[in-house]
Amino acid sequence: DAGITQSPRHKVTETGTPVTLRCHQTENHRYMYWYRQDPGHGLRLIHYSYGVKDTDKGEVSDGYSVSRSKTEDFLLTLESATSSQTSVYFCAISLRGEGDTQYFGPGTRLTVL
Amino acid sequence: EDKVVQSPLSLVVHEGDTVTLNCSYEVTNFRSLLWYKQEKKAPTFLFMLTSSGIEKKSGRLSSILDKKELFSILNITATQTGDSAVYLCAVYPQGAQKLVFGQGTRLTINP
Repeated sequence: DAGITQSPRHKVTETGTPVTLRCHQTENHRYMYWYRQDPGHGLRLIHYSYGVKDTDKGEVSDGYSVSRSKTEDFLLTLESATSSQTSVYFCAISLRGEGDTQYFGPGTRLTVL
Repeated sequence: EDKVVQSPLSLVVHEGDTVTLNCSYEVTNFRSLLWYKQEKKAPTFLFMLTSSGIEKKSGRLSSILDKKELFSILNITATQTGDSAVYLCAVYPQGAQKLVFGQGTRLTINP
């Protein structure tokens, strides 16, 4: 398995509270991604990073922000969580980016009440 | 809009059967197609296909791509209960970082 960990693995929070999810990799891959997975929608890209301090939006970025201050860490923040953000969040990494295999972390199940 | 469609959405077979899962796509300037297996956890990588007609094979699993007809198939022979999972197909459009995923095929293998 690729060396990717996510924390926390499970979280329950209340509407309006801030939440930060962490993805940590030991593979020294340049590209990192945050996806959410929902029934009926499959996996959808939230944000991605192509290097330290270099990030860009995916298709469902509203309500989310990201930061990458070190190669190994990619943080996803929900500034004010809403019930529509209840989902399973996966981090992925890729060595070369476009066209290259993405390897997924174990996921974080987030419930917003 | 880029789109990936998998069929069937759900499939139940008996152990030992052979199954074929389908993935068709419409994307702007295709780059590559990937298959993943997802049990009750993270998707795990199976194959990447970039050229038409070349079969990728790993044990009982194999996959082939048809770039002219815009589809791929994933075959599993002599199925086992451990093959039960959701199989995801994803496509990279050219020039995009985004993998476009299909909804997946839920495969259940009964003993």
